[in-house]
Amino acid sequence: EPEVTQTPSHQVTQMGQEVILRCVPISNHLYFYWYRQILGQKVEFLVSFYNNEISEKSEIFDDQFSVERPDGSNFTLKIRSTKLEDSAMYFCASSVSGTGQYFGPGTRLTVT
Amino acid sequence: ILNVEQSPQSLHVQEGDSTNFTCSFPSSNFYALHWYRWETAKSPEALFVMTLNGDEKKKGRISATLNTKEGYSYLYIKGSQPEDSATYLCASPRSDNTGKLIFGQGTTLQVKP
Repeated sequence: EPEVTQTPSHQVTQMGQEVILRCVPISNHLYFYWYRQILGQKVEFLVSFYNNEISEKSEIFDDQFSVERPDGSNFTLKIRSTKLEDSAMYFCASSVSGTGQYFGPGTRLTVT
Repeated sequence: ILNVEQSPQSLHVQEGDSTNFTCSFPSSNFYALHWYRWETAKSPEALFVMTLNGDEKKKGRISATLNTKEGYSYLYIKGSQPEDSATYLCASPRSDNTGKLIFGQGTTLQVKP
């Protein structure tokens, strides 16, 4: 069964460093998302991406964040200068039509 | 602002017990309600997508009901097994269905053998 994959499973970085989280969505899906869950809090939406552009972003998704689909396969989330409060589990999701989202297993980002 | 709430936060039951938990959401501008099952280190797995008031869906021992007028959904597990131990998340998209999901905080179920 097709699945969304994410790498790495765990990333440890120092405050101020740049990180890139990678996702490979399901191949025929057209809508892509990033969510995150800070420990003990709700899963929260970061950004949605369709037709090679951001369709919606949350207040969290400020200038430090960017997304890219560089090669038609990968979907990446970049955090330019990480802060301690960026420590969270980051989930990628994809969907054929905007409903029925399939999630990856997540990348746990730890900022020290 | 769409606010989705789940209760209880955690639940411990014995193997064989039946259990249920609740997801509540604003009843206005309802579009759909998603239930996911999330085991640690795995992808959240979609269980149900519910759209119609009065909907009832079933997958094995797990079922869910939906009341859009009063703004709640119940998830039931009949005869809980240790492998049912997971966090159960509900989520609702905004009414315009851009796909952005608003999640509840989840109910973590622990089934003891």
